Amino acid sequence: DTGVSQDPRHKITKRGQNVTFRCDPISEHNRLYWYRQTLGQGPEFLTYFQNEAQLEKSRLLSDRFSAERPKGSFSTLEIQRTEQGDSAMYLCASSVSGLDYGYTFGSGTRLTVV
Amino acid sequence: DQQVKQNSPSLSVQEGRISILNCDYTNSMFDYFLWYKKYPAEGPTFLISISSIKDKNEDGRFTVFLNKSAKHLSLHIVPSQPGDSAVYFCAASAMDDSWGKFQFGAGTQVVVTP
Repeated sequence: DTGVSQDPRHKITKRGQNVTFRCDPISEHNRLYWYRQTLGQGPEFLTYFQNEAQLEKSRLLSDRFSAERPKGSFSTLEIQRTEQGDSAMYLCASSVSGLDYGYTFGSGTRLTVV
Repeated sequence: DQQVKQNSPSLSVQEGRISILNCDYTNSMFDYFLWYKKYPAEGPTFLISISSIKDKNEDGRFTVFLNKSAKHLSLHIVPSQPGDSAVYFCAASAMDDSWGKFQFGAGTQVVVTP
């Protein structure tokens, strides 16, 4: 297991299109997080899963955003009717219970909406 | 509402000297803190953590200091090496949020010069 994998690395889409990103966490990690990072800012929390249950969604996550983690393994983040303001780096992270070692982040998916 | 602030967007330091990165927070409920390092085109990498029961934690060249009364923490890197050139993020969480939602600062770009 080489870490948290995210696919694709880059996505360019036209405004109004739907996009879907995938995250494969470290296999033994039961927690999975989605963050968004814009230029010059730190990562902002979007949503969190414990196994397959989505336990919280940030108010940053509008109705156009949906995330799933079927069977508690990989996760997908879908953005419907993309807007230019959605352009950002979308980061996935995973961890096990306890905070001593922080998260392990993936390399992110860079979304550009044109 | 930015609850974690890194007021220095950039820091330049000579190789071999000490790098000191600062972070301030406003939420008195925060009791667990992390530092992450991020290289371009990669996800953030966990560096070091500290809980509020401590005021110092050391790991090799990296030391984090926590001043709870001032709601301030700092990261010391000594000696600084060229490979330390990266963006450093401070992050904070309240342990009551047992699932590990972190608030991140905007980051400090460190450049280590020969």
